[in-house]
Amino acid sequence: AQTVTQSQPEMSVQEAETVTLSCTYDTSESDYYLFWYKQPPSRQMILVIRQEAYKQQNATENRFSVNFQKAAKSFSLKISDSQLGDAAMYFCAYRSARHGGATNKLIFGTGTLLAVQP
Amino acid sequence: DSGVTQTPKHLITATGQRVTLRCSPRSGDLSVYWYQQSLDQGLQFLIQYYNGEERAKGNILERFSAQQFPDLHSELNLSSLELGDSALYFCASSVETYRGNEQFFGPGTRLTVL
Repeated sequence: AQTVTQSQPEMSVQEAETVTLSCTYDTSESDYYLFWYKQPPSRQMILVIRQEAYKQQNATENRFSVNFQKAAKSFSLKISDSQLGDAAMYFCAYRSARHGGATNKLIFGTGTLLAVQP
Repeated sequence: DSGVTQTPKHLITATGQRVTLRCSPRSGDLSVYWYQQSLDQGLQFLIQYYNGEERAKGNILERFSAQQFPDLHSELNLSSLELGDSALYFCASSVETYRGNEQFFGPGTRLTVL
């Protein structure tokens, strides 16, 4: 079974600085997706960024980028120029790329609570 | 706004009762997923429906059941409620192509069992 581990329960960053959130996962599959979701105090789950395992290039979305190390099964999220609105719980998630069955479910880590200091 | 709607937003009930949570997926999405977020268990997958049929089951209790109707909305039924069922219940929908697609989450239903 696949597992996702986030070892940092809480992180803090100064406004305008850069912070990196860590995530490791375990799987025997070779084809899968990895995601970072943001959950602000409103509790809405918002997709921040996604990475397809067969793509070697790291995904980027504006101030958000990932460092995907497939061999090490590591998937960290870097937030540059941190803003107050980035304060939230961040979840790393895994999903198999195969079609159908239980394989399309998302498997989440336990989350990292990010505080942004003004 | 993800396009996925869930009602009600909040639900407060007593132990032993039964409740129904409702989810309307985004237009065109055939797949509906239910997730539970609790302090004890974190975020976990409960069940998936695709075009009216159950597709996959996760850690869903026997006291819980779900269905997806012809108009593709879905309902999650929770019965014989216990204090530990208090949680945030999310519905997510997806187009579900061959390789799978992004899941869009609704705002969630906060269930409190007293």
